[in-house]
Amino acid sequence: NAGVTQTPKFQVLKTGQSMTLQCAQDMNHNSMYWYRQDPGMGLRLIYYSASEGTTDKGEVPNGYNVSRLNKREFSLRLESAAPSQTSVYFCASRAPTNEKLFFGSGTQLSVL
Amino acid sequence: AQKITQTQPGMFVQEKEAVTLDCTYDTSDQSYGLFWYKQPSSGEMIFLIYQGSYDEQNATEGRYSLNFQKARKSANLVISASQLGDSAMYFCAMREFNAGNNRKLIWGLGTSLAVNP
Repeated sequence: NAGVTQTPKFQVLKTGQSMTLQCAQDMNHNSMYWYRQDPGMGLRLIYYSASEGTTDKGEVPNGYNVSRLNKREFSLRLESAAPSQTSVYFCASRAPTNEKLFFGSGTQLSVL
Repeated sequence: AQKITQTQPGMFVQEKEAVTLDCTYDTSDQSYGLFWYKQPSSGEMIFLIYQGSYDEQNATEGRYSLNFQKARKSANLVISASQLGDSAMYFCAMREFNAGNNRKLIWGLGTSLAVNP
């Protein structure tokens, strides 16, 4: 099983550019999440989706948009990238009857 | 106020010895869950162990056990018989089930563990 697949693994953007981080899971999970990880800040929730067709803001949603395209896919879009968005981004998913989060391998994003 | 506190930024342990990584938490909820995740240098986040607040027994998963002391609000991770592959960052996290915050995970800042041969 692939689990949670994130693409790309690395990305460099210039300030003002846009991009979409893709995430797909093959475990039939309802809940999906986007986190960012910064040194000294731990993991912070950007957006999450409790089920197909629903999305909600997390702790740090500003500058991001999300789409829950279907049950499998949950994408994160940066419309106009800023240096403050330089971070490692993780997608995760969770089954409704299990508290365990399954993480993707992460995307290292640099905004110059 | 920090809801999850990991007081040890870095820890060293000799191979084959046991090590305890500290985690204290702060919540007014009666129903919550506590987690430990491992992040090796390759970057992925790996689930290790889960303890529910109503679980009477301490959780165990192979060489990992969670020393849950509810009154002290601590959820320390114990790794027995350390291996070189245990060298990683370890994160403690909590989910409050009744907080109305959509049950998001609250994360600590992590403890870096180095296992010496």
